[in-house]
Amino acid sequence: GAGVSQSPRYKVAKRGQDVALRCDPISGHVSLFWYQQALGQGPEFLTYFQNEAQLDKSGLPSDRFFAERPEGSVSTLKIQRTQQEDSAVYLCASSSPPAGTKITYEQYFGPGTRLTVT
Amino acid sequence: GENVEQHPSTLSVQEGDSAVIKCTYSDSASNYFPWYKQELGKGPQLIIDIRSNVGEKKDQRIAVTLNKTAKHFSLHITETQPEDSAVYFCAAGTSYDKVIFGPGTSLSVIP
Repeated sequence: GAGVSQSPRYKVAKRGQDVALRCDPISGHVSLFWYQQALGQGPEFLTYFQNEAQLDKSGLPSDRFFAERPEGSVSTLKIQRTQQEDSAVYLCASSSPPAGTKITYEQYFGPGTRLTVT
Repeated sequence: GENVEQHPSTLSVQEGDSAVIKCTYSDSASNYFPWYKQELGKGPQLIIDIRSNVGEKKDQRIAVTLNKTAKHFSLHITETQPEDSAVYFCAAGTSYDKVIFGPGTSLSVIP
């Protein structure tokens, strides 16, 4: 079956441009996560969705970052007025904990989008 | 909030030897401890996880131990093979909506 897919795989943006990164989670997965991974570092949590509801956006570094998942499946991470410090790999993950549970379950990661801001 | 530290940052072993990676966490409420393997150009992939109600878990050549009192957990890989070469991340989670990752260990297995 298909895993988590992300597009584009690579994105080069000039400083000040807006970008939109797409994530297609595994079909039926309720939970969706966005992470930012700087070179040589571990993934850092950005935001979390349960279906279409954004339940936690505490990791978004500034108000230039915005994420949505309007129909509870595909998600888009948008970065406005990109800065050089936004250069990183943006990872999306999805998970499917059993209904009614709040137990953490395995997250399946996509390949990431490498964003380079010049 | 939770903070996860990981050591060593790089590890080089001969093929067939064992590799051990150690992590510590700060939040005593953490109850889920996954380990991920990340190969170049790919997203992290879960290799094993452990919950706070067990002290050890094993899956073929991979084992994880957890010491909740000391707030540390370790990954053990035995009989290492070249295909084990990758970056390994530990993580700790307290709830269903978030896990915090360590900084990673780059493992090289020398044939």
